[in-house]
Amino acid sequence: AQSVTQLGSHVSVSEGALVLLRCNYSSSVPPYLFWYVQYPNQGLQLLLKYTSAATLVKGINGFEAEFKKSETSFHLTKPSAHMSDAAEYFCAVNTNAGKSTFGDGTTLTVKP
Amino acid sequence: ETGVTQTPRHLVMGMTNKKSLKCEQHLGHNAMYWYKQSAKKPLELMFVYNFKEQTENNSVPSRFSPECPNSSHLFLHLHTLQPEDSALYLCASSQESGRHEQYFGPGTRLTVT
Repeated sequence: AQSVTQLGSHVSVSEGALVLLRCNYSSSVPPYLFWYVQYPNQGLQLLLKYTSAATLVKGINGFEAEFKKSETSFHLTKPSAHMSDAAEYFCAVNTNAGKSTFGDGTTLTVKP
Repeated sequence: ETGVTQTPRHLVMGMTNKKSLKCEQHLGHNAMYWYKQSAKKPLELMFVYNFKEQTENNSVPSRFSPECPNSSHLFLHLHTLQPEDSALYLCASSQESGRHEQYFGPGTRLTVT
């Protein structure tokens, strides 16, 4: 069985501040991990993915995430938030068995 | 543009109507998915097709009926829906089900009256 927990359904930061969105997973087999972003009235869009290569993964729009096996975490960060980063963010875990599990999502608000 | 299109984008239907949602992917993928996204609820996986075979039905009520005639097209047939079925229905595709990332369409906003 596998699961994803996103800590904090809402995160608010000031423009220019560090963004940290937390994701913890559980999986009985080596996982493939993803972060997606969803803007209002749109589908989900891939931000970045971890597929057992480098543990620090860089994605689009200046986001990156670090896979930490010992902590079963895959937190998403961005050094400096922009107003355009306001959206909902989803962490997801896949396995080779074909199962995809999404977290409940974190809504990011960016204050001017 | 993700290469996944969905029609219609908005749909209002009565509880006695029959309608269908359509999804098409232009990415050469072999897996397709239907998700339901309701306000204040997690994303719910409904169905998965891999190489045109249904590999997952996540305890979805029979009033939702999927159809995958080929790897590029996916339909969701709707009949006798309930108001609580109102939601955003998202289609996605991936190279195969499993370790690959998914590409999502823009969704169909469904309202059941």
